[in-house]
Order: sequence, then C-alpha cells, then structure tokens
Amino acid sequence: NAGVMQNPRHLVRRRGQEARLRCSPMKGHSHVYWYRQLPEEGLKFMVYLQKENIIDESGMPKERFSAEFPKEGPSILRIQQVVRGDSAAYFCASSLKSSGSPDTQYFGPGTRLTVL
Amino acid sequence: KNQVEQSPQSLIILEGKNCTLQCNYTVSPFSNLRWYKQDTGRGPVSLTIMTFSENTKSNGRYTATLDADTKQSSLHITASQLSDSASYICVVCLSGGYNKLIFGAGTRLAVHP
Repeated sequence: NAGVMQNPRHLVRRRGQEARLRCSPMKGHSHVYWYRQLPEEGLKFMVYLQKENIIDESGMPKERFSAEFPKEGPSILRIQQVVRGDSAAYFCASSLKSSGSPDTQYFGPGTRLTVL
Repeated sequence: KNQVEQSPQSLIILEGKNCTLQCNYTVSPFSNLRWYKQDTGRGPVSLTIMTFSENTKSNGRYTATLDADTKQSSLHITASQLSDSASYICVVCLSGGYNKLIFGAGTRLAVHP
C-alpha cells in the first residue's frame, strides 16, 4: 500500500506564473488536507477536502489559491500569479475518516516551491 | 487564540543519552494530542496519539505524557540513536467537526556520535 504521494517534489516558478501541486492520498482514504510550512515555522492548515467537496478552506488565502479533489484523480492545490512569499514547503495529508475516534493523518513528502 | 508552544527550540545530545522535549498548549476545545517526527526534507510521521483520558503512551523508545489539567505534554526519548536526529512536532487536535490539527513549531534534535 503506497503512502501519500506528492508531485512534483521540487517546483521553481517565476513571479506571476502558476504553480500546480498534486497529491494522491493513500488507497482507501477519501479525506485530504493541505498544509504550508515556512522555514523555521510549524505547519499551517490551509484546506480540508473530501471527494468533490471543500469542507474547510479557512486557512487558505482568499485570492490566488484554490484546491480541488475530483472524483477521479489526485487532489490539486493551485497557486496563481505566484509571489516570493509563496515560497514554502506544501504538505498533503490523507486520512481514512475525519471525526470520531482519533484518526491518523498520513503525510506526503511535500512539494518545495521556490519563487524566483 | 489556539497555540502550541514547544521547548527547547533545538537540542544536541550524544548518542545513547536520553532527552525530554516539552509542549504547552492553549487549544480549545481539546480532542487529542499527537507527536510527530519529521526528518529533513520529509513529511511528518506519527509517533503517538493521546486522548484526554490518557496520560502516557509509548512507542518503542519514545514515551509521551499528557497532563490535560496543566495543558502540558512531553516526549521522552530513551537511549538515543543517530537516526533520532529530526524535528519533533507536538500537534493538538480540536474536537467538534473534523480532526483539525494545530501544530507546534517543533524541536530540532541532533544526536551526535
């Protein structure tokens, strides 16, 4: 059973370009979470999705950022018109269920975005 | 404001020695507390999960404690190994709704031979 997969692992973009980050959850997991980690800081929640639904996007900037988790295929985090401040590591996590008894979130290896 | 604070920020120990990492939180409503290990360039990996009623949980050489009254947790590493060099992150899960996680900034541990 493969773990959470993210690609690309490293992404370099120039200011104003678009960044598209992909996340394939663990097999059987239908809950996906995106986090951002700035250097020397803890992970910060961005968005929580289930298949075809955004459940909580309270941590995601209102402009330029969007996320989706289609019925088929990976979850996508899309950043339009990137700026230098978007440079960070973006982690995706998946879980089997979202509530009730504690459920482990399994993290992918992350995508390191560098904006020149 | 929901916050998770960890100390020390970084720590260097010799191989074979023990160490204890601290976590204080002001998170409400509380559901459970987790410790994750994050190797450089990798995603976090879960070590322990403790609910309100649990005050200690072990995973091999890792032992986590939780005092829900004082809102403190610790992670004790016994007989450290070089492979323990990593960041250790304290994470608190909110109750109500889904498992929303609040992360500490981590303690960066370096184990030297």
